[in-house]
Amino acid sequence: SAVISQKPSRDICQRGTSLTIQCQVDSQVTMMFWYRQQPGQSLTLIATANQGSEATYESGFVIDKFPISRPNLTFSTLTVSNMSPEDSSIYLCSVEREQSTDTQYFGPGTRLTVL
Amino acid sequence: QKEVEQNSGPLSVPEGAIASLNCTYSDRVSQSFFWYRQYSGKSPELIMSIYSNGDKEDGRFTAQLNKASQYVSLLIRDSQPSDSATYLCAVNPPNWDKIIFGKGTRLHILP
Repeated sequence: SAVISQKPSRDICQRGTSLTIQCQVDSQVTMMFWYRQQPGQSLTLIATANQGSEATYESGFVIDKFPISRPNLTFSTLTVSNMSPEDSSIYLCSVEREQSTDTQYFGPGTRLTVL
Repeated sequence: QKEVEQNSGPLSVPEGAIASLNCTYSDRVSQSFFWYRQYSGKSPELIMSIYSNGDKEDGRFTAQLNKASQYVSLLIRDSQPSDSATYLCAVNPPNWDKIIFGKGTRLHILP
């Protein structure tokens, strides 16, 4: 597995502001992903963070709302822009260390509350 | 539409009994299958991965895969109260760089 950290672990934000979430891995990984998990729901993939290029977004998610960076093989950020209460959720990054196994490991998550 | 289906539960099992969690998937040619455990307020934790038909055992956990029936299950022997959690089934369809999660089954082990 990999040691994955996320910052912040939780935050309370005002409507209309933006929050950037960081994901740091202790070793280089091939794939990094960002998920959202709303209360009582399963995981929804937001996007795949590609190193050195634009992220690949899933249907229903757009770059203007969720800009993602991945400057190297151990770090990525997700920004939640112009937040509304509907963005209140847990945001999780996950990594795939070996593409051949497709196995993903999750960070501890960031709990976001938008007032 | 690629789907992964699980019974949402809650599934209540007496302590010491076998808990059986089931999952079906829609893409017949899927190759990789995963079970994650998620405690309330925590992130998902990988328990088992399985790639071939049959059983795979790891301690008290056994994953069972039947590709012909598009069915994967997780058995937990000698269930403990600490096994109470939501269990997520996940499937990786071929040629996809991502996995699809089911909605999860809530398991409650009764002391």
